[in-house]
Amino acid sequence: DIQMTQSPSLLSASVGDRVTLSCKASQNIYKYLNWYQQKLGEAPKLLIYYTNSLQTGIPSRFSGSGSGTDYTLTISSLQPEDVATYFCQQYNSWYTFGAGTKLELK
Amino acid sequence: EVQLVETGGGLVQPGRSLKLSCVVSGFTFSSYWMYWIRQAPGKGLEWVSSINPDGGNTYYPDSVKGRFTVSRDNAENTVYLQMNSLRSEDTATYYCAKPYYDGTYYYGWFAYWGQGTLVTVSS
Repeated sequence: DIQMTQSPSLLSASVGDRVTLSCKASQNIYKYLNWYQQKLGEAPKLLIYYTNSLQTGIPSRFSGSGSGTDYTLTISSLQPEDVATYFCQQYNSWYTFGAGTKLELK
Repeated sequence: EVQLVETGGGLVQPGRSLKLSCVVSGFTFSSYWMYWIRQAPGKGLEWVSSINPDGGNTYYPDSVKGRFTVSRDNAENTVYLQMNSLRSEDTATYYCAKPYYDGTYYYGWFAYWGQGTLVTVSS
């Protein structure tokens, strides 16, 4: 099974900051990597698919990159509404999710 | 508008059974693979099951294989999850989710989720 490790587990940042979240796979997942945002009490929301494709309706301040085992979600200028938990998900072999990064305002 | 609505959650004793339903609308249900994904309280997400469009192929992770059964009724636009021999570690919010389909291929990302239904396994 492919394991997904996200870091950090908790991130504090200020409005306007550039924020980088990391996700590492236990083996090469060939860019089959998605990112979701989940706000308290809500279902996950797809942000990025196939490493760097922005889902329709998602602000352009969100971007994704990576290859092999290492992937990154970047928020170019943090907004208050971005406070949430972010999950990565691989689909190279079945489907596994990371444990999440909780993003809070400093 | 695509909608997925899960029902059937609740409090159940260990070892007992529960059946979840997910009714969908806004897309051609019979053309889509469907998925169940769960989230334990305060934890991450875990894929629980997949079913192909005609219901003839189903897949599960080892954590639920042999205990959970996914099925569907394309006439009723509904996918089900029968959960048997429930354990405390099955306590979670259960979501149904729809993958992306471009008319030829299905892709492993989920743009549409239901609101979830909470299953609590406890004596």
